[in-house]
Amino acid sequence: AQSVTQPDIHITVSEGASLELRCNYSYGATPYLFWYVQSPGQGLQLLLKYFSGDTLVQGIKGFEAEFKRSQSSFNLRKPSVHWSDAAEYFCAANFGNEKLTFGTGTRLTIIP
Amino acid sequence: DADVTQTPRNRITKTGKRIMLECSQTKGHDRMYWYRQDPGLGLRLIYYSFDVKDINKGEISDGYSVSRQAQAKFSLSLESAIPNQTALYFCATSLTGGWDQPQHFGDGTRLSIL
Repeated sequence: AQSVTQPDIHITVSEGASLELRCNYSYGATPYLFWYVQSPGQGLQLLLKYFSGDTLVQGIKGFEAEFKRSQSSFNLRKPSVHWSDAAEYFCAANFGNEKLTFGTGTRLTIIP
Repeated sequence: DADVTQTPRNRITKTGKRIMLECSQTKGHDRMYWYRQDPGLGLRLIYYSFDVKDINKGEISDGYSVSRQAQAKFSLSLESAIPNQTALYFCATSLTGGWDQPQHFGDGTRLSIL
């Protein structure tokens, strides 16, 4: 079955530290992949997307993600987090049926 | 003004009541979606519409209905609300034209059913 998995429910990092949020998908081909961020009380905002080409994609707010076909992964990274990055992060995929399938989300807490 | 506007932002109601959540957009997008978000479950698709005359069920449509009144308006109804429909509801829009089109979300409606 087609699915998106975010194995980490909650991650805590120190301000200024690096961040990696994991995302794996289950599909027989390469889906269209997205990362969204949800700040408290707000809707989801697109950080970046991948559908072909360079496997390292740059997004807004200093985020990047790397697509690895061999691992069916699309992990989100940031070299140095800021307190304002505290939010919930969702990985999503379009498996060719023109709908998005979302992971269950990873809540990011930043400590001073 | 927000591109995707949801009303109301918060609603508390009782079991058995009929509820309508409204969504309007100024982005000019053809496609509109309704999701619900529950803790630990992510977002799940309730209904989607690719144009005014095209309405489709998502993965969890039971207990819900929708109406696409115009390109810019897409409303979600709970005919007889039940407590397990307590959730955060999101409307989203996207352009027609490719699987890489991102969706644009409203700020959500927090619905509590007592």
